[in-house]
Amino acid sequence: DAGVIQSPRHEVTEMGQEVTLRCKPISGHDYLFWYRQTMMRGLELLIYFNNNVPIDDSGMPEDRFSAKMPNASFSTLKIQPSEPRDSAVYFCASSLSSGAIYGYTFGSGTRLTVV
Amino acid sequence: ILNVEQSPQSLHVQEGDSTNFTCSFPSSNFYALHWYRWETAKSPEALFVMTLNGDEKKKGRISATLNTKEGYSYLYIKGSQPEDSATYLCACPDAGANNLFFGTGTRLTVIP
Repeated sequence: DAGVIQSPRHEVTEMGQEVTLRCKPISGHDYLFWYRQTMMRGLELLIYFNNNVPIDDSGMPEDRFSAKMPNASFSTLKIQPSEPRDSAVYFCASSLSSGAIYGYTFGSGTRLTVV
Repeated sequence: ILNVEQSPQSLHVQEGDSTNFTCSFPSSNFYALHWYRWETAKSPEALFVMTLNGDEKKKGRISATLNTKEGYSYLYIKGSQPEDSATYLCACPDAGANNLFFGTGTRLTVIP
């Protein structure tokens, strides 16, 4: 397996534009997580899915953020409209059954810069 | 939300020195503790998952211990090498939850 695949690796966009981040989890993993990494807060959980169903989105900062998982092999995180304070590295991770026991496999991250 | 704390925030050691750092977590309703190694420009990689009080895990020169009664874990690196330079994260799940709460990490720099 190629691991968790995220795209793009880097994204630079202008304030107000829509940004879509993509993630392909490891085949067979039934949990998918979106995290954001910032200098101030470290890794923050934004949302996670179990069997494609969003379970907890309490970490999503604002209505400008939305996430979907239309099938077991694909998820998107969308920011519309983007703002400079959204600049961060966004990680996707997946896990088999409970991540609490098995831990996560992380993707390489998407570095987002909003100018 | 689970409060997971790590110390120190950053650490510089000379090549060949041994070092250790700490992860603190709430001791009540403990479920598991995870250690990750995170190199710059890469993604975090799992090192250890520990569940039992007194657990000790080892991978090469890196080892970890767990004390669930007092709510801490130590990560040890013996004979540090420049390639050990990374941020070391610990994380715990909330009991009954499937998501991990991460500490802010200890950034280790090994000076050749």
